[in-house]
Amino acid sequence: GAGVSQTPSNKVTEKGKYVELRCDPISGHTALYWYRQSLGQGPEFLIYFQGTGAADDSGLPNDRFFAVRPEGSVSTLKIQRTERGDSAVYLCASSATGATEAFFGQGTRLTVV
Amino acid sequence: GQSLEQPSEVTAVEGAIVQMNCTYQTSGFYGLSWYQQHDGGAPTFLSYNALDGLEETGRFSSFLSRSDSYGYLLLQELQMKDSASYFCAGLRRDDKIIFGKGTRLHILP
Repeated sequence: GAGVSQTPSNKVTEKGKYVELRCDPISGHTALYWYRQSLGQGPEFLIYFQGTGAADDSGLPNDRFFAVRPEGSVSTLKIQRTERGDSAVYLCASSATGATEAFFGQGTRLTVV
Repeated sequence: GQSLEQPSEVTAVEGAIVQMNCTYQTSGFYGLSWYQQHDGGAPTFLSYNALDGLEETGRFSSFLSRSDSYGYLLLQELQMKDSASYFCAGLRRDDKIIFGKGTRLHILP
């Protein structure tokens, strides 16, 4: 595709529910990143993939958060038992091998009520 | 540890020059990038410094000093459309990218 695509753009869910956020990176990009951004803050690192494997998942806040990238392209961020504190914009970015520029999607705004 | 510090806000006048600073403590550091983000939008890449010195791209310049763990973004001939948040980001050798909290740039007419 022309850019990084994230779906849905907005998600409202009830506390305690399970949600999945999808990221479709730029074709051929091996690195894929997930960030969480709260209002007025910088993107907070969650996890990043090189190909199919999670190269670094040290930013995942707890075991309710999990992400996969089974075929080295599309990635899904999964959040179990959502809490109101999970409300934020979840950003996905991708980059080519050895590249210094990451391309971001428009994000998914998650609201937990 | 890994952290990048930026002033939270800067105000400048249209047509003027503004410098936004970034200091960092990042292990395995490879280079420093800058991203721009307008309200409601996605961060977009502006520049990258792998080596010490100044990189210029049109009205935007970025500087890095590894010995001082310091960098800055310089914007010249400010335009109202430059009002946005600006993030420095450290690129580690393992390709992990860590962002600072950002500087919000306010431009006065």
